[in-house]
Amino acid sequence: QSVLTQPPSASGTPGQRVTISCSGSSSNIEINYVYWYQQFPGTAPKLLIYRNDQRPSGVPDRFSGSKSGTSASLAISGLRSEDEADYFCAAWGDDLNAVFGGGTKLTVL
Amino acid sequence: QVQLQESGPGLVKPSQTLSLICTVSGGSITSGGYYWSWIRQYPGKGLEWIGCIYYSGSTYYNPSLKSRITISVDTSKNHFSLNLGSVTAADTAVYYCARLDLYSGSYFDYWGQGKLVTVSS
Repeated sequence: QSVLTQPPSASGTPGQRVTISCSGSSSNIEINYVYWYQQFPGTAPKLLIYRNDQRPSGVPDRFSGSKSGTSASLAISGLRSEDEADYFCAAWGDDLNAVFGGGTKLTVL
Repeated sequence: QVQLQESGPGLVKPSQTLSLICTVSGGSITSGGYYWSWIRQYPGKGLEWIGCIYYSGSTYYNPSLKSRITISVDTSKNHFSLNLGSVTAADTAVYYCARLDLYSGSYFDYWGQGKLVTVSS
């Protein structure tokens, strides 16, 4: 059972905008930054969004993050087939304890 | 370019100790501002942070695993290690080591390729 709650799956057609939600609590998301990681099968997760809405260099601006209260969202606009992957949210809890969501499998129809 | 590589047994018997090493290349483990972490991923996909260590030896552990884990660092070999004791089948997972950039944004920016560890007799 993951500390952060994500929908197990999401889908969209090419060009669409999809959002993935992440629900936490007053001891993690509400008081700390949210991060998003992208993972392709057989590979390690890759940082996609940090500090709620910041993109590392090389991440397309089609990916955006937001946070409000105890929840956060990842939005992907202009969906492309290569975006099909698992997406995980993460946050810091008390005393440098990282917590993750269970992951959302994104399917591009 | 920093690279991390996990190594260790892929099969551990129940009640024994799981031991993994993460070797860092392309950079020094003594570089300030980075914690060196262990994260595992269960077969069902969920991720769990295990803990991390600074090159000085300062550690942070997941409270739910704290009684069973030890993370150590060997700066002369540029690697850090994980020991997880009293393992059960529930500890079967892919174990990743990762660099935690605590000062730029508190994110895991470099990851190893992962090591599948199965707990079975």
